[in-house]
Amino acid sequence: KAGVTQTPRYLIKTRGQQVTLSCSPISGHRSVSWYQQTPGQGLQFLFEYFSETQRNKGNFPGRFSGRQFSNSRSEMNVSTLELGDSALYLCASTPGEGLNTQYFGPGTRLTVL
Amino acid sequence: AQSVTQLDSQVPVFEEAPVELRCNYSSSVSVYLFWYVQYPNQGLQLLLKYLSGSTLVKGINGFEAEFNKSQTSFHLRKPSVHISDTAEYFCAVSDAFNTGKLIFGQGTTLQVKP
Repeated sequence: KAGVTQTPRYLIKTRGQQVTLSCSPISGHRSVSWYQQTPGQGLQFLFEYFSETQRNKGNFPGRFSGRQFSNSRSEMNVSTLELGDSALYLCASTPGEGLNTQYFGPGTRLTVL
Repeated sequence: AQSVTQLDSQVPVFEEAPVELRCNYSSSVSVYLFWYVQYPNQGLQLLLKYLSGSTLVKGINGFEAEFNKSQTSFHLRKPSVHISDTAEYFCAVSDAFNTGKLIFGQGTTLQVKP
């Protein structure tokens, strides 16, 4: 099976812009989780989507949002970008039910100038 | 609320020496425990996991970890490291009701020297 894919791999934006990141889970997986990784804060959970519904949410401002489509692909959107949003954004997928292991994609490196 | 503490931010070790990366967690409910490895410019790769059963868990690349409930620890060990093991290692926890949400430790950088 193909692994989790994320596009784009690298992105450069300026403050105030918005950005959309995409994640395609492993075939058959229905849950997608998003994480932000920064040198200062480490790996932090953003949110999880399962069957097109947000199932879990981390402690991030409302500028961070996501959605999931019927084919389980997920997008994450960040509006009004700030310098502090520069990070590696990782998504992970699981089958969604029962005992699950999260499988991670390679990440999208976002740089905000 | 759950939390994970990785006690060492950096661990330097010589090639072929044994290594232990320490991880402690806190939780008021039953947890699942994981170790992931991250190589430069890559995502996270699962090394091993503890869900239930035997407290000694074996993973990929010769790594193993032991779940100790009384000490709330899940330390990662390898008897003989290679240069290729140089990477960042993350301990993570989830609870039985929220397996889509992982809480990570701050990471430990393993530096294997020749």
